[in-house]
Amino acid sequence: EAQVTQNPRYLITVTGKKLTVTCSQNMNHEYMSWYRQDPGLGLRQIYYSMNVEVTDKGDVPEGYKVSRKEKRNFPLILESPSPNQTSLYFCASSFSPTGAIDGYTFGSGTRLTVV
Amino acid sequence: KQEVTQIPAALSVPEGENLVLNCSFTDSAIYNLQWFRQDPGKGLTSLLLIQSSQREQTSGRLNASLDKSSGRSTLYIAASQPGDSATYLCAVRRHTGRRALTFGSGTRLQVQP
Repeated sequence: EAQVTQNPRYLITVTGKKLTVTCSQNMNHEYMSWYRQDPGLGLRQIYYSMNVEVTDKGDVPEGYKVSRKEKRNFPLILESPSPNQTSLYFCASSFSPTGAIDGYTFGSGTRLTVV
Repeated sequence: KQEVTQIPAALSVPEGENLVLNCSFTDSAIYNLQWFRQDPGKGLTSLLLIQSSQREQTSGRLNASLDKSSGRSTLYIAASQPGDSATYLCAVRRHTGRRALTFGSGTRLQVQP
């Protein structure tokens, strides 16, 4: 089944403890990105990647890192999480950056709570 | 800066009704528009993708239209069912600049049995 898989689905952590949220897609998509969803603010892009070893900042990149060493994986790294990073996170992928062929496919989300 | 607005924010209808959800965007220079469904605490499920050159797309009981010149899209749901209850999001892909979708805040739909 074609899908974007995120892990973990739920995570509670303490301020300052480094964490990684994994994202993997099995559709051979070149483009991947991370979004966060907050009440009243909607979904906002954190980082995106056009292809292996090519990443760039989205609208809200502060406090996050990403890497794209393999085409299928795009982990989101929080080096020193803070409570304002408590949010619902989504990974998305598409065949092309424009989503021209089949649009964007989203993962099921990771609900992160930082205390 | 692209802004996407969805009206109404919430909608409650009895089962069987046909309904229309609205999405408007400020910059008509879009590449495509995508409608998603989101169930509480869950991920986004793609419903329909409309390229900028298209006027509408249909999938089952769903029909989405796009009027790029006026900056509007509508999602028509025929014969609504309780299982249609969810939040519906529209998102536009900008034609230039950063590769990001700009999302509306969504319409929360409740279909009463």
